[in-house]
Amino acid sequence: GAVVSQHPSWVICKSGTSVKIECRSLDFQATTMFWYRQFPKKSLMLMATSNEGSKATYEQGVEKDKFLINHASLTLSTLTVTSAHPEDSSFYICSARTEPNYGYTFGSGTRLTVV
Amino acid sequence: DQQVKQNSPSLSVQEGRISILNCDYTNSMFDYFLWYKKYPAEGPTFLISISSIKDKNEDGRFTVFLNKSAKHLSLHIVPSQPGDSAVYFCAASHSGYALNFGKGTSLLVTP
Repeated sequence: GAVVSQHPSWVICKSGTSVKIECRSLDFQATTMFWYRQFPKKSLMLMATSNEGSKATYEQGVEKDKFLINHASLTLSTLTVTSAHPEDSSFYICSARTEPNYGYTFGSGTRLTVV
Repeated sequence: DQQVKQNSPSLSVQEGRISILNCDYTNSMFDYFLWYKKYPAEGPTFLISISSIKDKNEDGRFTVFLNKSAKHLSLHIVPSQPGDSAVYFCAASHSGYALNFGKGTSLLVTP
């Protein structure tokens, strides 16, 4: 079946640095990718929707200058957390829509810890 | 505003019995509903889905029921197995847009 490969699975960085998270669709082309964030004991919150070749659409309250999303090809979308702060520590997950009839596949997630 | 709600944060069931996980939603535009299973530090794994034109979908031990008038859906797992222990998320979408998730229900199946 469709697989979305997400890397890294975990990362620890210092405050003020930037971190890039990659999501690759394997064996299929993902024209649309979604980026979610999960806080402890909370649901997955949609951060942004990225479409290949165009600017991402951010949800209300998500800083587009802080969470840079690039979807330059049909198989790769990246999320860069810029100037990371401890409050950015969270679990980030990408998802690709695999079919017109709403098939969704998730990456394995990235645990970001900012110290 | 939470459009998908899972009001039970946890559920404990004996092995072999039925597990029933519930989910309510507020957006009448939702036309597709999904259940995901999630282990800590992993991405969600798709379990089963149902479109709004149906009221039941079955896949092995998993059955999802949809009651549109009540804006309620449920996931039945029978018989429950210890390996089913995980967090289960209900999700909904409309017109193929991004999924809206509930907060999850942690299921524990005891031997």
